[in-house]
Amino acid sequence: GAGVSQSPRYKVAKRGQDVALRCDPISGHVSLFWYQQALGQGPEFLTYFQNEAQLDKSGLPSDRFFAERPEGSVSTLKIQRTQQEDSAVYLCASSFGGQGSSYEQYFGPGTRLTVT
Amino acid sequence: AQSVTQLDSHVSVSEGTPVLLRCNYSSSYSPSLFWYVQHPNKGLQLLLKYTSAATLVKGINGFEAEFKKSETSFHLTKPSAHMSDAAEYFCVVSVPNYGGSQGNLIFGKGTKLSVKP
Repeated sequence: GAGVSQSPRYKVAKRGQDVALRCDPISGHVSLFWYQQALGQGPEFLTYFQNEAQLDKSGLPSDRFFAERPEGSVSTLKIQRTQQEDSAVYLCASSFGGQGSSYEQYFGPGTRLTVT
Repeated sequence: AQSVTQLDSHVSVSEGTPVLLRCNYSSSYSPSLFWYVQHPNKGLQLLLKYTSAATLVKGINGFEAEFKKSETSFHLTKPSAHMSDAAEYFCVVSVPNYGGSQGNLIFGKGTKLSVKP
């Protein structure tokens, strides 16, 4: 069956460029999460959506990072004026439940961003 | 605040021998704990989860973990390693929010498991 998909799988950007990373969650999943995984580290939480509402963006490292999920399905993570420290794998995860639930998060394969 | 500490960054075992990957947690709440596995160029996959039911949790591929509150540990074990088990393993605690639901996950730094023939 269809899982979480992310595109592009690999992205090379020059410092200062803007990038947009896409996540297609599993159909019907209410919750969507973005994580950043630096080389040799565990993923770190960036932001959380319940349907179209962004309920938690406490993990976004700077105001250059912006995420949206306008129709409650596909989500885009945008990074403006990329810096070398933004180089990482960006993971998207979705889960069936929303508030008050406890469902497994299903992860996509990630987008590897390299900023040169 | 919630956190997890994976005590070994790299574990190497021979095929057919037991696997032990160690994890200690810190949580202000009754925690939900998970182990995820990440194979190269593949997405994270849930191995097992503890959510305050049985303290011994069985997962996929023969893995299991025991929640020990007195030791604040959640170590992952497998009786006999297989070559296909070679991967990165993450111990994870869930941050409760929004009325007690599972929210974002906090990952440990990972343990790379190597399996020798």
